[in-house]
Amino acid sequence: DIQMTQTTSSLSASLGDRVTISCSASQGISNYLNWYQQKQDGTVKLLIYYTSSVQLGVPSRFSGSGSGTDYSLTISNLEPEDIATYYCQQYSKLPWTFGGGTKLEIK
Amino acid sequence: EVQLQQSGTVLARPGASVKMSCKASGYTFTSYWMHWVKQRPGQGLEWIGTIYPGNSDTSYNQKFKGKAKLTAVTSTSTAYMELSSLTNEDSAVYYCTREKRGFAYWGQGTLVTVST
Repeated sequence: DIQMTQTTSSLSASLGDRVTISCSASQGISNYLNWYQQKQDGTVKLLIYYTSSVQLGVPSRFSGSGSGTDYSLTISNLEPEDIATYYCQQYSKLPWTFGGGTKLEIK
Repeated sequence: EVQLQQSGTVLARPGASVKMSCKASGYTFTSYWMHWVKQRPGQGLEWIGTIYPGNSDTSYNQKFKGKAKLTAVTSTSTAYMELSSLTNEDSAVYYCTREKRGFAYWGQGTLVTVST
């Protein structure tokens, strides 16, 4: 199985900050990488698909980048509603696998 | 509007089986793969498997083969997952989620608690 590693399990930032969350795959995944946001109530939302495509309805302050084994999600101008846990997920090879999550908190 | 409505909280005994549902609406049920994802308390997300309701084709994470069984009833646009031989490790929230360039639509989750 492809292991997805989010080395930062929690991150504290101030409102208005630019935040970058990283994700690394155990082998190349050819940009088949999605990002999700999970709120405290359990609600899950797709933010970014295929590394850098922003899902319809997602604010433009969210962006994604990366290639090969290393990927990142950037939130520019952090807002209160961005407080959540963020997960990367690869769909290059079955079984689809998720990173362990990065919990974003307000400083 | 695509909606996935999952069945409610389940309390089950060790060794028992449970079957949960995911009722889809707002799209053609038979045309999209439905996936199931597990989340243990305080833990991350884990892909269990998927079913294509159009022909009942399935694909499972090897880890869940023998544990989970995915089915779908097209007449009611409902996907089901049955978990067997429950242990404490099966206590989790289970989500159904539909693909569209990623898991674009999610149910609200079904909490399964395994306890004596």
